[in-house]
Amino acid sequence: EVQLVESGGGLVQPGGSLRLSCAASGFSFSTYWMHWVRQTPGKGLVWVSRINSDGSSTYYADSVKGRFTISRDNAKNTLYLRMNSLRAEDTAIYYCVREGSGWYSFDYWGQGTLVTVSS
Amino acid sequence: QSVLTQPPSVSGAPGQRITISCTGSSSNLGAGYDVHWYQQLPGTAPKLLIYANNNRPSGVPDRLSGSKSGTSASLAITGLQAEDEADYYCQSYDTSLSGSVFGGGTKLTVL
Repeated sequence: EVQLVESGGGLVQPGGSLRLSCAASGFSFSTYWMHWVRQTPGKGLVWVSRINSDGSSTYYADSVKGRFTISRDNAKNTLYLRMNSLRAEDTAIYYCVREGSGWYSFDYWGQGTLVTVSS
Repeated sequence: QSVLTQPPSVSGAPGQRITISCTGSSSNLGAGYDVHWYQQLPGTAPKLLIYANNNRPSGVPDRLSGSKSGTSASLAITGLQAEDEADYYCQSYDTSLSGSVFGGGTKLTVL
């Protein structure tokens, strides 16, 4: 069974940093591209970042470029999102997502971890 | 303002057929990029319903179907059931933004 379990969310002050982790199991993690997608409570979905299977290529939404860094450790079956210079508008539930058969389709989602940026 | 436009809400009676539209532009759906559809029940993560315009993952019933033409796409649900009440999102890739984009979501109410 495919499982994606996020951790690392919490309350952080504006300008602060946080690192999210996503533990993957039930599939060959090292062969899949992975993403982070966020959702402001009560609102829509926003794509954040993408990483290829070996971690050599990364992509970001303009809203987080230069502040967030996606990475992965295939030996540990873990995906990361390092978030720096956090702003109030980064407050959201962050989902770890696996890319499926369709290009940029998201076939498995974690349960999400809540990040709150507030003083 | 989402890049992909969906109606905020649709509704239908049990057993009826409904459709949810998704309108894009020449930089996403019109450029030939596939559309994918997700269902989100309250308090849960989204679930993939349709990928690459009209393909259903294993376990998704065939009363759900997708189509795409030009800059528009739609999700159809036939034989509406109470358990279909949820939020639905379309998603694609946008070449101008160099990333994925979502619709604003449509809340389906089963009357």
